[in-house]
Amino acid sequence: NAGVTQTPKFQVLKTGQSMTLQCAQDMNHEYMSWYRQDPGMGLRLIHYSVGAGITDQGEVPNGYNVSRSTTEDFPLRLLSAAPSQTSVYFCATSWSSYNEQFFGPGTRLTVL
Amino acid sequence: RKEVEQDPGPFNVPEGATVAFNCTYSNSASQSFFWYRQDCRKEPKLLMSVYSSGNEDGRFTAQLNRASQYISLLIRDSKLSDSATYLCAVTGNNDMRFGAGTRLTVKP
Repeated sequence: NAGVTQTPKFQVLKTGQSMTLQCAQDMNHEYMSWYRQDPGMGLRLIHYSVGAGITDQGEVPNGYNVSRSTTEDFPLRLLSAAPSQTSVYFCATSWSSYNEQFFGPGTRLTVL
Repeated sequence: RKEVEQDPGPFNVPEGATVAFNCTYSNSASQSFFWYRQDCRKEPKLLMSVYSSGNEDGRFTAQLNRASQYISLLIRDSKLSDSATYLCAVTGNNDMRFGAGTRLTVKP
């Protein structure tokens, strides 16, 4: 089992470009979430999903979109990249919002 | 005020020392509590869950104080391999919020 996978591992974008960060899990978890991690700020929740077809906003949703068409996949879209979105992005999954979360290896994004 | 707050440290301790981390949370309706460990440039990994009665796993002890809304992590007999950042996590309204993390360095 691969667990939680994220692609790409690294990405450099120019301001204004769009892209999609991929997250996939084979753990049959209903709950999936996206975090960004910045120095001194810890992990901040961007968006989350309690199941296929259901998504909701977290602490810092502006500039990001998500969709959840299947249990396995939860892509994060940057609509128009800005330097403030330079960060490390982690996808996480769990049985529910009350259970421990399992994290993917992260995507390091730089926006120039 | 952040929902989950931790002392950022850093904590620099010698091998064999006992070190304690605290974490406070603001949502009194929070139901689940965790400590995660994060190594440099890696993803967070669960260290232990925190139960109301307190729980121990080897050299690690976690405690929850609901009345004062804080959780703690005690590491006894520190090892060099304990050097990492420790994140507390608290569940809320359909989400999990993390503290900013406390950096621990254990020195020979």
